[in-house]
Amino acid sequence: GAGVSQSPSNKVTEKGKDVELRCDPISGHTALYWYRQRLGQGLEFLIYFQGNSAPDKSGLPSDRFSAERTGESVSTLTIQRTQQEDSAVYLCASRPPGLVGETQYFGPGTRLLVL
Amino acid sequence: AQTVTQSQPEMSVQEAETVTLSCTYDTSESDYYLFWYKQPPSRQMILVIRQEAYKQQNATENRFSVNFQKAAKSFSLKISDSQLGDAAMYFCAYAGGTSYGKLTFGQGTILTVHP
Repeated sequence: GAGVSQSPSNKVTEKGKDVELRCDPISGHTALYWYRQRLGQGLEFLIYFQGNSAPDKSGLPSDRFSAERTGESVSTLTIQRTQQEDSAVYLCASRPPGLVGETQYFGPGTRLLVL
Repeated sequence: AQTVTQSQPEMSVQEAETVTLSCTYDTSESDYYLFWYKQPPSRQMILVIRQEAYKQQNATENRFSVNFQKAAKSFSLKISDSQLGDAAMYFCAYAGGTSYGKLTFGQGTILTVHP
């Protein structure tokens, strides 16, 4: 079946503008995660959604970052008033129901460049 | 907080030879999961192998195997019969049993395979 998809693939924006990144998880996957990957570094956890439960926002770096997910469908990550340090690849992953240690399936990411 | 350390920023191997990538982690949890992910230049994160901490037997997936030393908190990846397609960034990752499955990643190891 289809994997996790993300759009856009690349985004160039000017400092101070808002951006919205989209993630379509694998159908039936109840858990959804957003991660950020700065150039040459590992991934940092941003936010976690599980069904209709309250999300775990503990990884969001500032109040300029927010994310939404309706039920078990699409999620959007919004960055307001972008800064140059927000430049990174933003990766989304989804996980099927079950053990928290089940494999996460990643999308191809959105590369964000803030000029 | 859990941490994952990959002490080898870069490794290289000759085609058909064997290479071992190192990973150590720090945790106070008894229930957790460990992963190795591969990230080629396409950015797509691909699961290589997964280990459940309660299982003493080392996980194996074809040419990929791990050496899981729970007491030493070590989780190395061995790639046998290396192929040109194995060239990528490799990330070690940890998911605690009580952290909703959010992954903590190491900094990554760039693997070069020489023909």
